[in-house]
Amino acid sequence: AQSVTQLGSHVSVSEGALVLLRCNYSSSVPPYLFWYVQYPNQGLQLLLKYTSAATLVKGINGFEAEFKKSETSFHLTKPSAHMSDAAEYFCAVSEAGTSYGKLTFGQGTILTVHP
Amino acid sequence: KAGVTQTPRYLIKTRGQQVTLSCSPISGHRSVSWYQQTPGQGLQFLFEYFSETQRNKGNFPGRFSGRQFSNSRSEMNVSTLELGDSALYLCASSPGTDGETQYFGPGTRLLVL
Repeated sequence: AQSVTQLGSHVSVSEGALVLLRCNYSSSVPPYLFWYVQYPNQGLQLLLKYTSAATLVKGINGFEAEFKKSETSFHLTKPSAHMSDAAEYFCAVSEAGTSYGKLTFGQGTILTVHP
Repeated sequence: KAGVTQTPRYLIKTRGQQVTLSCSPISGHRSVSWYQQTPGQGLQFLFEYFSETQRNKGNFPGRFSGRQFSNSRSEMNVSTLELGDSALYLCASSPGTDGETQYFGPGTRLLVL
């Protein structure tokens, strides 16, 4: 069975500081990994996804994530936080060949950006 | 292309009633997945439909059901509503092949009184 753990339900950074949101997964088969962002009263927007083509994945709005198989991690980073990055972030996994439309999500991390 | 649309956006029901939510996928997408989002349980997978067939199902009671039409539009139904069914219900569409990105609608917020 697949699972996702996001370390830290709340992360607070200053504007211009590094953003690091942690995600660890467990999967019995090669996974597809995703990061989504959710703004208040909205649905989920894809930031980036990993599909085994490259371990460092670049996404929208300056975010990137690195797949580390040995650590079963897929942490999300951004070099310099903007006020507009304040939102809730979700890491998700689907298992190759068996997921049939199912994403398993972490519990989410609320990012606060201070001026 | 138009995004995923969900109707209605907000809904208030009382315990024991039933409700039907609708989802229109992105044009050309054949897969629709449904999720329930609550503060306590987070995002949980309900079920997925592909070409009018349910391919996958999460761990929800039989009160939760769905269907998909030939134009890929999907509905989900919850019968005999309970207070705990209050949640944001999200649908997502994708082409339906392995590893494809799911694109989410804005959700339907259901409040059960």
